[in-house]
This record gives sequence, C-alpha cells and structure tokens, in this order.
Amino acid sequence: DGGITQSPKYLFRKEGQNVTLSCEQNLNHDAMYWYRQDPGQGLRLIYYSQIVNDFQKGDIAEGYSVSREKKESFPLTVTSAQKNPTAFYLCASSIGGEEKLFFGSGTQLSVL
Amino acid sequence: GIQVEQSPPDLILQEGANSTLRCNFSDSVNNLQWFHQNPWGQLINLFYIPSGTKQNGRLSATTVATERYSLLYISSSQTTDSGVYFCAVGNAGKSTFGDGTTLTVKP
Repeated sequence: DGGITQSPKYLFRKEGQNVTLSCEQNLNHDAMYWYRQDPGQGLRLIYYSQIVNDFQKGDIAEGYSVSREKKESFPLTVTSAQKNPTAFYLCASSIGGEEKLFFGSGTQLSVL
Repeated sequence: GIQVEQSPPDLILQEGANSTLRCNFSDSVNNLQWFHQNPWGQLINLFYIPSGTKQNGRLSATTVATERYSLLYISSSQTTDSGVYFCAVGNAGKSTFGDGTTLTVKP
C-alpha cells in the first residue's frame, strides 16, 4: 500500500539529548513537510522540502534540523536547543508544493 | 504571514443534525484544503478545493476565493464525524493551518 510511515509512534527525550523522527513515503511525491501540533491547537510548519537536497525553514524552525538526501525520506532531528519539544509531530507529503497533502500517523514526543 | 481563522471553535450536535463550519483567510491563496483529525491523531484529507463547490457523500465544501472564505457542510451527522476539522490554505509553496473546529456528535 502507498502511504507515509512515521516512526516511532512514541518517543521520549532526556534533557540535552538530540532525537530523530523518521518519515518515509512511497507515493513518489516531490514535496515533504514537518508540522508540530500542540494540544488544542492547529498545525505549525517546522520545515519543508520541495525537492531532494533542498529544504526551507517554516514558521518555527528554531531547535530543529532536517535532511533530504533521498526523495522518499525526510527525517527530523529535535535538538537540545528546542527547550519545549513535547508535542505531536506530523509528517506530510504532496506531489508538488501547494498540492493535496497526505499525512502520516504522527509521533508523540515527550520529555523525561 | 497569512492568517487563517476557523469558526466556531467548538460545536456539539445531536446525531442527524446538519452543521456548517467556516474558514476565513487574510490574503490570496492558491489552494484550500479541509481535513478531519480523528481521536487517534490521524489527519484525513476531505477536500482539495481552491474554488467552487465539491461534494462527497454527506460532506460538501464551497470556497469563494475572491471573498477569502470557505465553508464545510456536514449533513445528517453521525457519531463517527466527531473530531477536529482543519482548513489549510496554500501560498508560496506551503500550507498554513487554522486552529480547527472541534465537533462532538452525540448519539
């Protein structure tokens, strides 16, 4: 089945630790996105990539980093510089920028 | 950046009732999408609707881009319609989301 796979489903971060969230898609989409969702709020854009080896900062990029070495993969690293990382993280993809978005099932990140 | 406002923030209905959700946006956009987020967090794309009207079963959506708003209609609501409904507008290669409408349908 074609789709977007996020892993792990739950992740715990210790103080000062970097953690990486995985996002893989087999839809052959060019564009991929990372969103953060806090309880009771909408989705805020962290980073996006419209093509391999290129990505742009979204509205809340501080404390996060990404890479796009392969078309199907767009991992997100939450660094120790992100002081409030507890949130639900959603990865999405689309055929191109501003096209129909498809979402993964999300990763819940919590701080120990 | 572009502002997206959704109303009402919360809506409680009895099963079988109809409802209208609204999405206003502050600038010209290239597309608009409606999503449903279920209680497990999964987001499902309901409509991709930059302009005009579309229907899918009991759901329909209308976007009036010149007046910067979109409406989502839910008819004969069911308990499985419960969840959060988001609209997202596309501009400059990315999408901006509203804060959502939380719908609760009671049996």
